[in-house]
Amino acid sequence: AQSVAQPEDQVNVAEGNPLTVKCTYSVSGNPYLFWYVQYPNRGLQFLLKYITGDNLVKGSYGFEAEFNKSQTSFHLKKPSALVSDSALYFCACRRTDKLIFGTGTRLQVFP
Amino acid sequence: EPEVTQTPSHQVTQMGQEVILRCVPISNHLYFYWYRQILGQKVEFLVSFYNNEISEKSEIFDDQFSVERPDGSNFTLKIRSTKLEDSAMYFCASWARWNTDLSTEAFFGQGTRLTVV
Repeated sequence: AQSVAQPEDQVNVAEGNPLTVKCTYSVSGNPYLFWYVQYPNRGLQFLLKYITGDNLVKGSYGFEAEFNKSQTSFHLKKPSALVSDSALYFCACRRTDKLIFGTGTRLQVFP
Repeated sequence: EPEVTQTPSHQVTQMGQEVILRCVPISNHLYFYWYRQILGQKVEFLVSFYNNEISEKSEIFDDQFSVERPDGSNFTLKIRSTKLEDSAMYFCASWARWNTDLSTEAFFGQGTRLTVV
């Protein structure tokens, strides 16, 4: 069965520092991987996706993610964090018609 | 930009009552979903809907739950007899999926917070 894992419940980072939010996946065949963000009391917003091709994908708000097939990972990154990036981040995969989400990682950026 | 809209934003209901959560997906999308999130935690799949029928459902989606698309635009989730543990944020999503292309992203609504008292 397909699944994604987010090993960290929370990530704390100082504003201006780089951030990484980790995600690993378990999917047979070629995975379709996504990152979504949820701001307080809001819905899920699409950030970026990996389908095929370049392992580094760029998305909204300066975020990027690196696909690593050998490590089955799809970590979310940003070179310089902003306080406004503080939110709940979800990794997701799709193998068939269904999106499966990880447990989420709360990112807290401190001024 | 097209968006998925959900109503109401917050629903409070007494245990045992029926509730209907409503969603207007993006027009020309083909797949529709309901997900549930309890207390800002994991987003759980409930059901997918395609071609006017359920294509897949999770173990959470028992006989108390039903979905329908009554008029070709709205997509509803009904809970027949609510329980305290049904309290959660419910998200509707729609997905275009052109032919066999799985690469497009799904769009989510803002959610309906259901509180069962």
